Amino acid sequence: DGGITQSPKYLFRKEGQNVTLSCEQNLNHDAMYWYRQDPGQGLRLIYYSQIVNDFQKGDIAEGYSVSREKKESFPLTVTSAQKNPTAFYLCASSIGGPEQFFGPGTRLTVL
Amino acid sequence: EDQVTQSPEALRLQEGESSSLNCSYTVSGLRGLFWYRQDPGKGPEFLFTLYSAGEEKEKERLKATLTKKESFLHITAPKPEDSATYLCAPPHLGGGSQGNLIFGKGTKLSVKP
Repeated sequence: DGGITQSPKYLFRKEGQNVTLSCEQNLNHDAMYWYRQDPGQGLRLIYYSQIVNDFQKGDIAEGYSVSREKKESFPLTVTSAQKNPTAFYLCASSIGGPEQFFGPGTRLTVL
Repeated sequence: EDQVTQSPEALRLQEGESSSLNCSYTVSGLRGLFWYRQDPGKGPEFLFTLYSAGEEKEKERLKATLTKKESFLHITAPKPEDSATYLCAPPHLGGGSQGNLIFGKGTKLSVKP
């Protein structure tokens, strides 16, 4: 089955730790995206990548980092510089246009 | 600055009670709009793409319409399984974010049996 997978589903982090969220897709999509969702807020774009080995900052990139070494994978690292990392993180992909398809999400909680 | 506003924030309906959700936007040079459904704790599920004013799309009890400045998601005779948060998202135009989506905060729909 084609789709987008995110792991883990739940993640707990101690303050000061870096954590990496996984996003994999087998849709052969060129573009991939990371969003953050907070209660009562719309999805906010963190980073996006239109092609392998290239990525751009979104609206709220501070405290996050990404890599795009393979077309299928777009991992997101939440660094200790992110002051309020507790949120629901969503990965999406698209074939190149604006129509995006989403993964199931990772809920990150800082202890 | 491009903005998207969805109303109402929350909507409670009885099963079978039809209604509409609104998505209004101040996006310069609108080029389409996307509707998604999101269940609690899950990723958004794609519903519709609308590309031009006057366009309509239907799927089961849902019908999406588009004008130059707003879109409506009409729900006819809803069932409890239609309960979810509905998100609309037009794409950015211009600048470094061209093509990326701007998401509204969503309308949380609850349908009671």
